Amino acid sequence: EIVLTQSPGTLSMSPGEAVTLSCGASQSVASGFLAWYQQKPGQAPRLLIYGASSRATGIPDRFSGSGSGTDFTLTISTLEPEDSAVYYCQQYGSSPFTFGGGTKVEIK
Amino acid sequence: EVQLLESGGDLVQPGGSLRLSCAASGFSFGGYAINWVRQAPGKGLQWVSSISGSGATTYYADSVRGRFTISRDNSRNTLYLQMNSLRAEDTAFYYCAKGSRGYSNFYIDSWGQGTLVTVSS
Repeated sequence: EIVLTQSPGTLSMSPGEAVTLSCGASQSVASGFLAWYQQKPGQAPRLLIYGASSRATGIPDRFSGSGSGTDFTLTISTLEPEDSAVYYCQQYGSSPFTFGGGTKVEIK
Repeated sequence: EVQLLESGGDLVQPGGSLRLSCAASGFSFGGYAINWVRQAPGKGLQWVSSISGSGATTYYADSVRGRFTISRDNSRNTLYLQMNSLRAEDTAFYYCAKGSRGYSNFYIDSWGQGTLVTVSS
């Protein structure tokens, strides 16, 4: 089983700042089969990034993903108030299709 | 527009059984893998199970293998999760989530709103 470790657990940033979230895998994720999801309180998650770096339909270009192998990053280039949420990574290269524990992004 | 509507969540005693359903619309159901993902209140996401578009291939988390069974009826555009031998740690919101393709290496591109399963005496 591939264990995904997200860091930091919580991030508190001001609007306009750049934010970097990390997702580390215990084993190499095949072909960059890694996705990022955003979940706001009381809502279902929403797909942001797939294939490590491809933005999903309708996702603002301030969200970008990068990485390969065991190290992946989600970057929010200019934080907006509506980006307050928990962000999860998930690998879908091999079963079980594990999620990371999440990073909570708070807006100051 | 993709719509996924879960139902069947309830309060059940430890050791009991429950069947969840997910009614899908807005896409060619049989062409896509579907997943169950759960989230205990206040906790993170946990992948539970997936099934290929044809239903021929299923995948399970170790924590539910042998107790849960995923299935689908492509003629009714409906996904199921039969849950047996339920435990307190199975208490969670259960989300039905559409895969990006019919088989292998599918990410989740759409989510339902979830149904709550509570296992308690």
